Amino acid sequence: GAVVSQHPSWVICKSGTSVKIECRSLDFQATTMFWYRQFPKQSLMLMATSNEGSKATYEQGVEKDKFLINHASLTLSTLTVTSAHPEDSSFYICSARDLGQNGELFFGEGSRLTVL
Amino acid sequence: DQQVKQNSPSLSVQEGRISILNCDYTNSMFDYFLWYKKYPAEGPTFLISISSIKDKNEDGRFTVFLNKSAKHLSLHIVPSQPGDSAVYFCAATQGGSEKLVFGKGMKLTVNP
Repeated sequence: GAVVSQHPSWVICKSGTSVKIECRSLDFQATTMFWYRQFPKQSLMLMATSNEGSKATYEQGVEKDKFLINHASLTLSTLTVTSAHPEDSSFYICSARDLGQNGELFFGEGSRLTVL
Repeated sequence: DQQVKQNSPSLSVQEGRISILNCDYTNSMFDYFLWYKKYPAEGPTFLISISSIKDKNEDGRFTVFLNKSAKHLSLHIVPSQPGDSAVYFCAATQGGSEKLVFGKGMKLTVNP
């Protein structure tokens, strides 16, 4: 099946620094990718929809200046957590829809961010 | 307000028995429901789905039942196997939207 890969899978950073997480569709093109965030024992919460070649669409309550999303190509979307703080520590997961496989949504492995 | 609810955080069953995972939703506009399975340190993987025009969908050992009047769906796994031990997420969407609304997940443990 289609594969979506995230990098890094684990990152620890100091408070105030910025962290970039990559999401790649390895064997299909994705004009739209999705970024989710999961707190411990909570559901996956959609943060934003990443659109290739245009601005991302953010969900209500998500700070677009805090979570910068860039979808520069049909196989790559990046999420940058700017000026990270401990409360940004979370599990971030991306997904992409493979139209060649009946539109099935495939998820990346997730990236765990810990901000000290 | 959580639109998709998985009220039981965990379930433990014996190998070979049936596992029943429940999910409730509040938004009557949801018309497509999905179950995802997630192992630790991995992303969720699609398991099975059901459209609101159906009340049952079966795929091998997995069957999803939908009760629209009760806004309730359930995932049945029979027979359960130790490899089924994972966290299961219920998700819903509406009108062909790509936005999925997830439940909190439920940890299933299948004991040998």
